[in-house]
Amino acid sequence: SYELTQPPSVSVSPGQTARITCSGDALPKQYAYWYQQKPGQAPVLVIYKDSERPSGIPERFSGSSSGTTVTLTISGVQAEDEADYYCQSADSSGRVFGTGTKVTVL
Amino acid sequence: QVQLVQSGAEVKKPGASVKVSCKVSGYTLTELSMHWVRQAPGKGLEWMGGFDPEDGETIYAQKFQGRVTMTEDTSTDTAYMELSSLRSEDTAVYYCATDQVGAFDIWGQGTMVTVSS
Repeated sequence: SYELTQPPSVSVSPGQTARITCSGDALPKQYAYWYQQKPGQAPVLVIYKDSERPSGIPERFSGSSSGTTVTLTISGVQAEDEADYYCQSADSSGRVFGTGTKVTVL
Repeated sequence: QVQLVQSGAEVKKPGASVKVSCKVSGYTLTELSMHWVRQAPGKGLEWMGGFDPEDGETIYAQKFQGRVTMTEDTSTDTAYMELSSLRSEDTAVYYCATDQVGAFDIWGQGTMVTVSS
């Protein structure tokens, strides 16, 4: 089955930049989406169609795509950005989520 | 503004079935593409299935085919997800979520389903 691979964890100091990658063979042909999930809460969409930001999501969240890898960038990380982040895309069988990345703000 | 409100926590025995509901407000269910996602304790998100507007039918993840049924009651704007032949590995939080921008943009609060003898 189709897999999207993310690093298990990323650590970053406040004010620095966090980059989370997501790799998958079908990403050059399919859009990627990113979700933030804090403990005990439902996920929140932070990036759609590779790089679009929903209303209400801070400008420090951005997305990019290059070949089989998409990247979520959090510029000027704040303590409140500490959470799990998941990429998501699709293949012929339906939707698939990435393995998830825990972002720790030091 | 779409809001999704799910039914309460369930405890089921192995082999039983569970039916989780998701009530829509702010829109009508016919305007939305509803999906279901689950998350086992301490694990990642797992897509179970949902409505594909291009085909006009509900598609299920291969892992759940034959065991899951997703239905809608448009008279009450409520979506349902029923999972049968439950086993301990089905213990998870089950979410409904709408797809309005090609992604899951609005989520329910989640329903905890515990499978235990």
